[in-house]
Amino acid sequence: DVKVTQSSRYLVKRTGEKVFLECVQDMDHENMFWYRQDPGLGLRLIYFSYDVKMKEKGDIPEGYSVSREKKERFSLILESASTNQTSMYLCASSPDRALSYEQYFGPGTRLTVT
Amino acid sequence: SQQGEEDPQALSIQEGENATMNCSYKTSINNLQWYRQNSGRGLVHLILIRSNEREKHSGRLRVTLDTSKKSSSLLITASRAADTASYFCATDRYNFNKFYFGSGTKLNVKP
Repeated sequence: DVKVTQSSRYLVKRTGEKVFLECVQDMDHENMFWYRQDPGLGLRLIYFSYDVKMKEKGDIPEGYSVSREKKERFSLILESASTNQTSMYLCASSPDRALSYEQYFGPGTRLTVT
Repeated sequence: SQQGEEDPQALSIQEGENATMNCSYKTSINNLQWYRQNSGRGLVHLILIRSNEREKHSGRLRVTLDTSKKSSSLLITASRAADTASYFCATDRYNFNKFYFGSGTKLNVKP
């Protein structure tokens, strides 16, 4: 079974702190994604990576950056956390589209910024 | 802007009844997927339908796609309490690896 793990289920941080959210997948997938999920807004794509060291902005990249130094790990960085970044963050991975379009999700990190 | 939008936003039915959820989208697609999310958890893939397919089945799930109306429906037959979850449709973009997710239909199946 594909497993996507996220470093924390719940996280509380203060405004202005630098926050790291880690995601690891164990299926050698090329593609990895970071979404945030807010009530009534669904999932919105923050960043996408299609290969090591490669990244692409999603729909709402402002205030975020990402790092993919190894194929299995994709990190989301909040450079200076703000209260409007309080949200559920979901990481996902998928294989090359020649194989499948299915995305495999982690359990999510509920981040609260106070 | 987001592509897929689900309707209704919330649905409450009795166990054993059928549940139908709809998804509408704005521009042409190649693939449409449905996912389920149990409360506070990650999403789980249910089914994918390609633009050249009209209907697809998987167990108690039936998905239809009408590209002329830019809409899809997910039917869950003989629902169970364990089907209580939020259901999302996801439509692809120009980059086939990326999908737009809607805001979901929250299904409550009462025992």
